[in-house]
Amino acid sequence: EPEVTQTPSHQVTQMGQEVILRCVPISNHLYFYWYRQILGQKVEFLVSFYNNEISEKSEIFDDQFSVERPDGSNFTLKIRSTKLEDSAMYFCASSVQEDQPQHFGDGTRLSIL
Amino acid sequence: GEDVEQSLFLSVREGDSSVINCTYTDSSSTYLYWYKQEPGAGLQLLTYIFSNMDMKQDQRLTVLLNKKDKHLSLRIADTQTGDSAIYFCAEGLNSGGYQKVTFGTGTKLQVIP
Repeated sequence: EPEVTQTPSHQVTQMGQEVILRCVPISNHLYFYWYRQILGQKVEFLVSFYNNEISEKSEIFDDQFSVERPDGSNFTLKIRSTKLEDSAMYFCASSVQEDQPQHFGDGTRLSIL
Repeated sequence: GEDVEQSLFLSVREGDSSVINCTYTDSSSTYLYWYKQEPGAGLQLLTYIFSNMDMKQDQRLTVLLNKKDKHLSLRIADTQTGDSAIYFCAEGLNSGGYQKVTFGTGTKLQVIP
């Protein structure tokens, strides 16, 4: 069964550094999402992306964050200047249409030191 | 705003049925989801139900939806030790070109051999 794949599985970064989290959505999916889960808390929506532009973003997704689809297969989340509170599990998801179920990857655990 | 509530913990004996309950607030949800998260792993889409249905069965899984009470349940028949995981209830709401998915806190299911 097709899967959403995310790399790396664990990223350790010094505070203030830039980090890029990578995702390969399911190949025929058109809608892409990033979520995060701070340890012990709920999974929170960050951003949705369609047709090479952001369709919606939450208040968490401030100017430090950006997303990009640099080619036909990858979908990336960049955090420009990481803070301690950015430490979380980041999940990528994709769906074939906007009103279809979202399929999630295994996540990237981001640890900011 | 949208809110999804679940109990935090459920313990059952192997072979018994498990019932995980969830309440949500937004009556215009399109889909209601159950995701499974094993330790250190991602979010696996377990099953989902369209909001105009009241029941869905998929092998050992039965989803019941009471739209009037905004109550969703997941029943796992003949629970196995491999079912031990955190189960997230989520509601999907179509919103201006994307589906906003709001997650509950998750219910940790412990299966006792």
